[in-house]
Amino acid sequence: GAGVSQSPSNKVTEKGKDVELRCDPISGHTALYWYRQRLGQGLEFLIYFQGNSAPDKSGLPSDRFSAERTGESVSTLTIQRTQQEDSAVYLCASSPQDREGTEAFFGQGTRLTVV
Amino acid sequence: DQQVKQNSPSLSVQEGRISILNCDYTNSMFDYFLWYKKYPAEGPTFLISISSIKDKNEDGRFTVFLNKSAKHLSLHIVPSQPGDSAVYFCAASDAGGTSYGKLTFGQGTILTVHP
Repeated sequence: GAGVSQSPSNKVTEKGKDVELRCDPISGHTALYWYRQRLGQGLEFLIYFQGNSAPDKSGLPSDRFSAERTGESVSTLTIQRTQQEDSAVYLCASSPQDREGTEAFFGQGTRLTVV
Repeated sequence: DQQVKQNSPSLSVQEGRISILNCDYTNSMFDYFLWYKKYPAEGPTFLISISSIKDKNEDGRFTVFLNKSAKHLSLHIVPSQPGDSAVYFCAASDAGGTSYGKLTFGQGTILTVHP
């Protein structure tokens, strides 16, 4: 596809379960970002991958959150032992490279509901 | 600590008139600013950006103004159209220090343009 693809679109999980969210960036994009948007709030940075560099994990809210990316392709965001406060829309974005004029393209997001 | 603030949760404008969306920031390290538009159930889409070395950037009906001394930026849409109705997010990055794409977002302003 032409855009950033995220799956699933919606996920309902029970408190305490682990979830895995997937992001397929635009082909050739070296930079990949995860954000989340909780209800009524702005987007919150989680993690950033750039090529083969070590990821910037400074936005991950707790050690229950982790993310991986294989090369310049698919990324997965894993949330272990989910809590109700993890309920949010999780958005993935990618950009061709990290420089001015190469703004990020966002996917449609995964809406996670923890019950 | 909200480093990027959009103090108006909503704005209502008549078609053909000017829409002015405002954004304030507190982090003096921010040197790159963007506006994104978001429709329901979609990811944000990039609108326009401005580097801190400029005070104005124009793209068609959209103009972004940056006042560094006041740590304030605004987005002007002229003329406003009903299709502009969406949530508008202001975002900022410390591009020189970290990444263009590691963004801090405001809470968003819901723009409604009435026919």
